[in-house]
Amino acid sequence: QKEVEQNSGPLSVPEGAIASLNCTYSDRVSQSFFWYRQYSGKSPELIMSIYSNGDKEDGRFTAQLNKASQYVSLLIRDSQPSDSATYLCAVIGKGNNRLAFGKGNQVVVIP
Amino acid sequence: DAGVIQSPRHEVTEMGQEVTLRCKPISGHDYLFWYRQTMMRGLELLIYFNNNVPIDDSGMPEDRFSAKMPNASFSTLKIQPSEPRDSAVYFCASSWGGSNVLTFGAGSRLTVL
Repeated sequence: QKEVEQNSGPLSVPEGAIASLNCTYSDRVSQSFFWYRQYSGKSPELIMSIYSNGDKEDGRFTAQLNKASQYVSLLIRDSQPSDSATYLCAVIGKGNNRLAFGKGNQVVVIP
Repeated sequence: DAGVIQSPRHEVTEMGQEVTLRCKPISGHDYLFWYRQTMMRGLELLIYFNNNVPIDDSGMPEDRFSAKMPNASFSTLKIQPSEPRDSAVYFCASSWGGSNVLTFGAGSRLTVL
């Protein structure tokens, strides 16, 4: 089993809609969770971090963490064309700084 | 700060040649990471350093790959000899240990013919 899995294919959403992305992880003792955004041909950039169960909101982005079920999700509200990118889920285990990434989910926002 | 600086941005070489990728982390960051990104495998951690010391190199694919960090402001990733399957984008990233938040460089796109 991969450390971090993002299984959904490309996601197309109309402008203004909600985009929902999911991620599961295998290490039950993982402590820190991140969402990075990567535009085509560019490097990943951090958009959200979450450490505790529940929801964390930052502008149009909401991260959700459920440690019991070992999943992390990202909601993008009022999606804009500028949100079109690949979103990478990343997880750090307990007691180390080894950040493992999922393969990413491509989001396409259609004007 | 200029961010994480990587060079070269693009490298095209022939199979069997030595390749050296360079990275300058953000000043004050004590962690440095080397990642490789391909369509098939995504973003893979190759090795990371803390205070210039290699901590985890379990992701280094084989002995052809080596990485060094001689001081806090410079790291290299070397591939010798290079093979076509090494073609990928190689990212360097740095962080301040307490944050676990990585800042990535622009990447080095390697093509091995």
